[in-house]
Amino acid sequence: DQQVKQNSPSLSVQEGRISILNCDYTNSMFDYFLWYKKYPAEGPTFLISISSIKDKNEDGRFTVFLNKSAKHLSLHIVPSQPGDSAVYFCAAREGMDSSYKLIFGSGTRLLVRP
Amino acid sequence: GAVVSQHPSWVICKSGTSVKIECRSLDFQATTMFWYRQFPKQSLMLMATSNEGSKATYEQGVEKDKFLINHASLTLSTLTVTSAHPEDSSFYICSASGSAENTEAFFGQGTRLTVV
Repeated sequence: DQQVKQNSPSLSVQEGRISILNCDYTNSMFDYFLWYKKYPAEGPTFLISISSIKDKNEDGRFTVFLNKSAKHLSLHIVPSQPGDSAVYFCAAREGMDSSYKLIFGSGTRLLVRP
Repeated sequence: GAVVSQHPSWVICKSGTSVKIECRSLDFQATTMFWYRQFPKQSLMLMATSNEGSKATYEQGVEKDKFLINHASLTLSTLTVTSAHPEDSSFYICSASGSAENTEAFFGQGTRLTVV
């Protein structure tokens, strides 16, 4: 059973518009959430994170929103740029101290059209 | 951000042979390293977590005798795929963390393993 779900396998957005990527989770014990961007044949690169005690975190064009009651988070990219085209993974942290691990969603492939 | 180097980036091996993949943290001490596997168009699947100087903790369904993990130092962890078979062909990625507060979990570049 997937604890972290990204139900949209792909998203296509016009350059300059907003991209919204969604993520749902089932484990209320997750205390930290992260978004990663991944290009083919490369390791993921960290984008932005949010603690479970917050509901919003913003970094430049990237904003992550967390709705704990709905167990839902989203990544907003605005304005979207063609270079943002990649696969985006949502991840949740489980555990504490040195025994923590990241649980990943299945990813959403974003295509930003020029 | 911190740098994690993974080597090799790709490898082709014959069925029945063993392959070793290295993961190094270049500018920080990695107390914890994670090994992931990714199948085409699927998510990153955590295989095991290793803490420096202790045995790795494997996820359910991952054969510890097939995927040997060694984390002998704070900057190096290795994954050895023993007696590789074509079904082991996949993209393997490591990540490293210096502490629980380092939630970014920096990733290596990944290794594409093809077993023929």
